[in-house]
Amino acid sequence: RKEVEQDPGPFNVPEGATVAFNCTYSNSASQSFFWYRQDCRKEPKLLMSVYSSGNEDGRFTAQLNRASQYISLLIRDSKLSDSATYLCVVNGGGGADGLTFGKGTHLIIQP
Amino acid sequence: GAVVSQHPSRVICKSGTSVKIECRSLDFQATTMFWYRQFPKQSLMLMATSNEGSKATYEQGVEKDKFLINHASLTLSTLTVTSAHPEDSSFYICSARDGGAAQPQHFGDGTRLSIL
Repeated sequence: RKEVEQDPGPFNVPEGATVAFNCTYSNSASQSFFWYRQDCRKEPKLLMSVYSSGNEDGRFTAQLNRASQYISLLIRDSKLSDSATYLCVVNGGGGADGLTFGKGTHLIIQP
Repeated sequence: GAVVSQHPSRVICKSGTSVKIECRSLDFQATTMFWYRQFPKQSLMLMATSNEGSKATYEQGVEKDKFLINHASLTLSTLTVTSAHPEDSSFYICSARDGGAAQPQHFGDGTRLSIL
């Protein structure tokens, strides 16, 4: 079983729509969770950390469900500039210190 | 804040050449730095973790004699790909973190390595 699984997409979404991604992780001992975005041929950039209580940053809302081991990202009022690959990222658990990345979900916002 | 600079951004060289990549945290002290590799259409894969002043910890399957890591200071880590071959061609990205595992990692721009 893959450690972090995401639907690769692509998700084709009209501008202004709301879009949601989920990912699941296999290591129940994982402690830290993040969403990163990666533009084509660029480095990942931190979008937001994810907490059990849920957190919101502008148009972006992230949720963590530890019992079900899944993480979600909601983007409201999507913009053309939101087009990117969104990486679900999990850190730690079992002594591992680096990040484990999902393969990413490709989002295309259409005008 | 939290800027990480990686240099060079692009390298094209002949097989057998050794290539050195630098990773610097510009506005914070990086207690831990990480090196990743990403092949086309694949996820980032952790190669090694390094703490300043100590030997790097390599992931399974990554040859430490092939990929030499030096973390000489709290703001600089280097990765040297020794005697590079075409199969080493990839996108290499470093990241740096100030603090423990709960803190996010901040990534450099990446180095696109092409071995002919």
